[in-house]
Amino acid sequence: AQSVTQPDIHITVSEGASLELRCNYSYGATPYLFWYVQSPGQGLQLLLKYFSGDTLVQGIKGFEAEFKRSQSSFNLRKPSVHWSDAAEYFCAVGAKSSASKIIFGSGTRLSIRP
Amino acid sequence: AAGVIQSPRHLIKEKRETATLKCYPIPRHDTVYWYQQGPGQDPQFLISFYEKMQSDKGSIPDRFSAQQFSDYHSELNMSSLELGDSALYFCASSIPGQGDNYGYTFGSGTRLTVV
Repeated sequence: AQSVTQPDIHITVSEGASLELRCNYSYGATPYLFWYVQSPGQGLQLLLKYFSGDTLVQGIKGFEAEFKRSQSSFNLRKPSVHWSDAAEYFCAVGAKSSASKIIFGSGTRLSIRP
Repeated sequence: AAGVIQSPRHLIKEKRETATLKCYPIPRHDTVYWYQQGPGQDPQFLISFYEKMQSDKGSIPDRFSAQQFSDYHSELNMSSLELGDSALYFCASSIPGQGDNYGYTFGSGTRLTVV
């Protein structure tokens, strides 16, 4: 069965510092991978997605993620965080098939230290 | 660009009442998914429809039902509401099997509060 693990429940980083949020997935085939961001009480905004090709994916707001098949990982990175990046981040995995649902990880809450 | 439209944005109901949530997918998207996100939880898949037929089913209570109509909009009907049904309900749409076009687009959600 497909699953997503985000081992860090809560991370605090200083403004201007670099960020890496971890995501590991379990999936029997080639997965579609996503990162979403959610501010409190708000909807889910897609940051980036990986389907195939270049394993380093660029997203919005200066985020990037790297797909590592050997490690079953899809970690999210940002070289310098801003206070506005404080939010909940969800990694998600989907199947490469028609009308397939995606499964979310439990999320990582990011706090920014001034 | 057109997005996924959900209505209403907020809904307050009493226990044992019914609620209907609506989702209008992006034009030409033929697949709709419903998710439930409780407070502090990750979104949990409820049900999906492809070309007006149920395509997958997750942890959807028997008190809930859903359908997709000929114009591809979908409605989630919730009966005998319980306090635990209070959550943010998301709808997403996609075009399956379209390669790089695959990928969910979520609506802003409907916040249901049961009192």
